[in-house]
Amino acid sequence: KAGVTQTPRYLIKTRGQQVTLSCSPISGHRSVSWYQQTPGQGLQFLFEYFSETQRNKGNFPGRFSGRQFSNSRSEMNVSTLELGDSALYLCASSLAELITNTGELFFGEGSRLTVL
Amino acid sequence: AQSVSQHNHHVILSEAASLELGCNYSYGGTVNLFWYVQYPGQHLQLLLKYFSGDPLVKGIKGFEAEFIKSKFSFNLRKPSVQWSDTAEYFCAVHRGATNKLIFGTGTLLAVQP
Repeated sequence: KAGVTQTPRYLIKTRGQQVTLSCSPISGHRSVSWYQQTPGQGLQFLFEYFSETQRNKGNFPGRFSGRQFSNSRSEMNVSTLELGDSALYLCASSLAELITNTGELFFGEGSRLTVL
Repeated sequence: AQSVSQHNHHVILSEAASLELGCNYSYGGTVNLFWYVQYPGQHLQLLLKYFSGDPLVKGIKGFEAEFIKSKFSFNLRKPSVQWSDTAEYFCAVHRGATNKLIFGTGTLLAVQP
């Protein structure tokens, strides 16, 4: 069974540009979450989607946006990139509407974004 | 502010030493608790979780954690670490009706052979 797939795995952008990251959840999973991982900060929650609806959003500026498609695949977009946006962006999926029904989130390997 | 705290940022141990990593949270009410591990170059994997019942939970690879409600803690333990346990460990809290997890800042464990 394929895991959570994130593309691209690595990318380099310059300040002011925008970036779109993609996440394909495990087949059948309808919940997708996004996290930003940086050294010393751990994982910071960005958004969570279930059946195309954003159910929760973290404390990030409006430059960070996301969406989920009818096939559960998700994208996140960061516009007007800043140096501080350099991070590993992780996607996680879950089968159920509520994690306590299935027990865990399954994480992808992440998209490492470097902003120069 | 409500948060999840992992006080040990870096831990260095020799093989066969015992491990205890601290995790404290500041949320009231019902919480669900997790420990995830990230081995070098790999994705985050679930070590163990606590939802209810026996506060001492056992996970994979010989890890266990104890939920102490009065102390708002969920510390991770392993009686004898191996070199292969070198990884970053994250504690996480879940509350409410979505799948949002709130993570601690992580503890980097290095086990020396």
